[in-house]
Amino acid sequence: GESVGLHLPTLSVQEGDNSIINCAYSNSASDYFIWYKQESGKGPQFIIDIRSNMDKRQGQRVTVLLNKTVKHLSLQIAATQPGDSAVYFCVHSNTGNQFYFGTGTSLTVIP
Amino acid sequence: ETGVTQSPTHLIKTRGQQVTLRCSSQSGHNTVSWYQQALGQGPQFIFQYYREEENGRGNFPPRFSGLQFPNYSSELNVNALELDDSALYLCASSLGAGLTEAFFGQGTRLTVV
Repeated sequence: GESVGLHLPTLSVQEGDNSIINCAYSNSASDYFIWYKQESGKGPQFIIDIRSNMDKRQGQRVTVLLNKTVKHLSLQIAATQPGDSAVYFCVHSNTGNQFYFGTGTSLTVIP
Repeated sequence: ETGVTQSPTHLIKTRGQQVTLRCSSQSGHNTVSWYQQALGQGPQFIFQYYREEENGRGNFPPRFSGLQFPNYSSELNVNALELDDSALYLCASSLGAGLTEAFFGQGTRLTVV
């Protein structure tokens, strides 16, 4: 099956610092990636996506970087806030009708 | 809020029973996907419905079935419930079945005893 793995299961950062969450994938045919954020008791919330024809995409306080050579994806959060505390999932699809979630990285922001 | 609503929010069933979970997709979205999320795990894809037809299925047994209605709302049915079916069931709606952003509901927490 598809493999979407995360380098670190937990991450703690000081409020105001930048956060970087990493993700590795195994399928070189992967062509669409999404980062989702899931807070306790809620469904996943879309953060940002990127297609394989791009290396970088920026949103509000977030940047996703894609390195197809080493099959690595990262999410950078600038000026991390307490409201950013959640589990972050790197999600991959190459068909559009099936999305593969990893286990997730738990981000804790220390006030 | 994503505009995707699921019902019920919580449910307790006995092993061997059947359950139906419901999802109302975001206005204008014609595609619904269902996921199972065990505690401490990422969501696992069950299946997707596009314009009332199944458009893809994950590694789940046939006792997991679904429906999509003309208004694009959807149901997930699980027969012969097992203890391991206890999980958060999430539905996500999107516009089109291609590579596009999907919006999730808050989920239904199913407990099988």
